[in-house]
Amino acid sequence: DTEVTQTPKHLVMGMTNKKSLKCEQHMGHRAMYWYKQKAKKPPELMFVYSYEKLSINESVPSRFSPECPNSSLLNLHLHALQPEDSALYLCASSGRLDSPLHFGNGTRLTVT
Amino acid sequence: DAKTTQPTSMDCAEGRAANLPCNHSTISGNEYVYWYRQIHSQGPQYIIHGLKNNETNEMASLIITEDRKSSTLILPHATLRDTAVYYCIVRVALGSGGSNYKLTFGKGTLLTVNP
Repeated sequence: DTEVTQTPKHLVMGMTNKKSLKCEQHMGHRAMYWYKQKAKKPPELMFVYSYEKLSINESVPSRFSPECPNSSLLNLHLHALQPEDSALYLCASSGRLDSPLHFGNGTRLTVT
Repeated sequence: DAKTTQPTSMDCAEGRAANLPCNHSTISGNEYVYWYRQIHSQGPQYIIHGLKNNETNEMASLIITEDRKSSTLILPHATLRDTAVYYCIVRVALGSGGSNYKLTFGKGTLLTVNP
């Protein structure tokens, strides 16, 4: 069990679909992160939010749209994805930007 | 970004100490070394971090060389549940304000603990 909850655990979507990944933490953390992990590869940073403001965007394509509606929630909106976007999407949070990250167990996304 | 180099894989006997090395020869003076591990089908789990001094917590010990160019993570009594990919990461500060950081994962070491 982790203190960062991601839903859904699995998602299959077509290339024309719109879907959202959700992440929630109740540890009072003010920094939240999205990472993408392809099979047998290390996690790659996508976005960082600090105090609900986007702090880092690692040149992620616009078909991935993050949203941080409040300090406990982080969403990743998906639209017009490609099969190569299939991966494990990991959410993490930290008390501050210089604190250790706590990861959720991810959403395994398959794009057909 | 400071790069890290780790062996691709290591084996350890159950009950013995596991010593995982990491080279980070380009590390800067204010950059921390972090260790995470990832058990199959789970998210990465924080283990320990340090700057200059050796650190110990309930999970592991971190030994950093005096020149800070390498470090070793020590699991004192490895169990089968410690089988995982272990990532050594140098946390990079972004900009001059010192308030924005990035954690970039390298390829990690697959530690297999054998019965």
